[in-house]
Amino acid sequence: QVKLQESGPGLVKPSGTLSLTCAVSGGSISSTNWWSWVRQSPGKGLEWIGEVSPGGYNNYNPSLKRRVTMSLDKSQNQFSLTLTSMTAADTAVYYCARDPGFGHDSWGQGTLVTVSS
Amino acid sequence: DIVMTQSPDSLPVSLGERATINCKSSQSVLNSANSKHYLAWYQQKPGQAPKLLIYWASTRESGVPDRFSGSGSGTDFSLTISSLQAEDVAIYYCQQYYSIPRTFGQGTKVEIK
Repeated sequence: QVKLQESGPGLVKPSGTLSLTCAVSGGSISSTNWWSWVRQSPGKGLEWIGEVSPGGYNNYNPSLKRRVTMSLDKSQNQFSLTLTSMTAADTAVYYCARDPGFGHDSWGQGTLVTVSS
Repeated sequence: DIVMTQSPDSLPVSLGERATINCKSSQSVLNSANSKHYLAWYQQKPGQAPKLLIYWASTRESGVPDRFSGSGSGTDFSLTISSLQAEDVAIYYCQQYYSIPRTFGQGTKVEIK
């Protein structure tokens, strides 16, 4: 059973950069799955941020594309998200998830990121 | 972007009764090459991550009770809970994975009447 666990700062300053990592256990990040980030603003719905393939290819949400970078670290079996120029609108619970090609079948528990000075 | 619109926003249902949630996509999510609809359903309980229930519009994820079923085609889809249990109280989301960006419906809150 694959498990995903997000880690990173819970507080980011306005205009700062968010860096999150998702550690994958019980499975290899080099498998055929894509690896995704999804966020959920407080009391709101789900927003797909983007995904990275085992080969390092990316797809990003156009609404965030200018500010987003995702990458894999195969040596650590983890993947990461970087989001620049953070504002209060980026305050959300950030989830990492596995995408086997038919939705997201495994999710991390989520990590709350608050943007505030 | 493909816009996913769910109805209703809130659905009060008595225990043991049927609950049906609708999801409409702004364009088709059918891949004619494999005849599959790129549509998934998720359940999210308070304080938890979403859980995949249904994919390919009607395929139940392993371990999901058979009271959950998905149906539909083209741009109109439904998730049905045949006999609502107390543990089914949650917010349900549909998602298309046909195109980038993946998009979710706004969610439907299922509660006990």
